[in-house]
Amino acid sequence: AQTVTQSQPEMSVQEAETVTLSCTYDTSESDYYLFWYKQPPSRQMILVIRQEAYKQQNATENRFSVNFQKAAKSFSLKISDSQLGDAAMYFCASRGGSEKLVFGKGTKLTVNP
Amino acid sequence: NAGVTQTPKFQVLKTGQSMTLQCAQDMNHNSMYWYRQDPGMGLRLIYYSASEGTTDKGEVPNGYNVSRLNKREFSLRLESAAPSQTSVYFCASSEASRGRYYEQYFGPGTRLTVT
Repeated sequence: AQTVTQSQPEMSVQEAETVTLSCTYDTSESDYYLFWYKQPPSRQMILVIRQEAYKQQNATENRFSVNFQKAAKSFSLKISDSQLGDAAMYFCASRGGSEKLVFGKGTKLTVNP
Repeated sequence: NAGVTQTPKFQVLKTGQSMTLQCAQDMNHNSMYWYRQDPGMGLRLIYYSASEGTTDKGEVPNGYNVSRLNKREFSLRLESAAPSQTSVYFCASSEASRGRYYEQYFGPGTRLTVT
């Protein structure tokens, strides 16, 4: 079974600064995928970034990047140049060979002007 | 192109009442999913359908039934609602091939309150 743990229920960052959200996971599968989803107050789930476990290179999407440490089973999200619109709940998720996503409990990110 | 749509957006039920949450996608996806989200929790999978005509249990299936009516539609039914089923329900869909990832697209959610 897969598990995903987000140890930071809440984080805050100043506008234009950088923040890192932590995630650890556990899986017995050799082929799996990791994701970060953003959920703003509108409730819509938005995929921010994904990482294939077989790729050593860390994924990046504009201001969002990940630090994927496979041996440590760690998958953190870095948001650079934080903007007010980045304020949201962020969920880490994993998927193995089946199609099921397993989510962490989320981190609430506040961006201060 | 509406993506994934869900009806209703909000619903209040009394304990013991039944209702069906509707979900439809217009992306020709094979796979569809139902999740629930409770305060302080991430999304948990209730049921999923890998393809038309098939359904399978997720992490928290008790108290729910599903129907994959056709490729577009996947409904979630509460036969006898309980206060523990108060939650926000999300439907999602993806084009899926075993062993390969396709992005899951989420609907806007249904907030259900059971009193």
